[in-house]
Amino acid sequence: QVQLQESGPGLVKPSRTLSITCTVSRGSISNGGFYWNWFRQRPGKGLEWIGYIFETGTTYYNPSLKSRLRLSVDTSKNQFSLQLSSVTAADTAIYYCAALRNAVDIWGQGTKVTVSS
Amino acid sequence: DIQMTQSPSSLSASVGDRVTITCRASQGIRIDLGWYQQKPGKAPQRLIFAASSLQSGVPSRFSGSGSGTEFTLTISSLQPEDFATYYCLQHNSYPWTFGQGTKVEIK
Repeated sequence: QVQLQESGPGLVKPSRTLSITCTVSRGSISNGGFYWNWFRQRPGKGLEWIGYIFETGTTYYNPSLKSRLRLSVDTSKNQFSLQLSSVTAADTAIYYCAALRNAVDIWGQGTKVTVSS
Repeated sequence: DIQMTQSPSSLSASVGDRVTITCRASQGIRIDLGWYQQKPGKAPQRLIFAASSLQSGVPSRFSGSGSGTEFTLTISSLQPEDFATYYCLQHNSYPWTFGQGTKVEIK
């Protein structure tokens, strides 16, 4: 079944853009009807839904992040990506990618991102 | 946004106990709700989808019920590996929102 692996920068300076990529293996990102999601978990806190991109390119963003967020898909690399601009310390979190479709729910292991100068 | 109020925020229980966790939605969400288990340092894993359907591979001691605004996750007989934090997630309306979590600890 589909497997996901996030790759991120680890450390990002304030005001810069955070970019994280999720690589899909054992399946194709361009078919299968998956919603390719992003979630995050701030230190010691609960879970937050960031948004998703469907295989057609349709996106839904959390309004709390919408002005800074861009999700994209690269079918040639079987990857989907998150870009979050103008980051602050409040964006320090573990970021998870996840594939959701009806009875299927698959998460990556998460990548920790710290925003600090 | 739909607010998901989860209770209790934490509980202490013994192996073999029956445990019930509740999520209340601020407006009706049909059965568009999942329950997740998260262990320290790990990604969340879904236990229940569509409010009451058991995710493949999840032990049958986990069950979910409810519709509309009130939902329950029940663990019929708590096992050592069940000590974790549990979250509900509604996906009826955007933005999708989680409950604040219930930490299940050993008594």
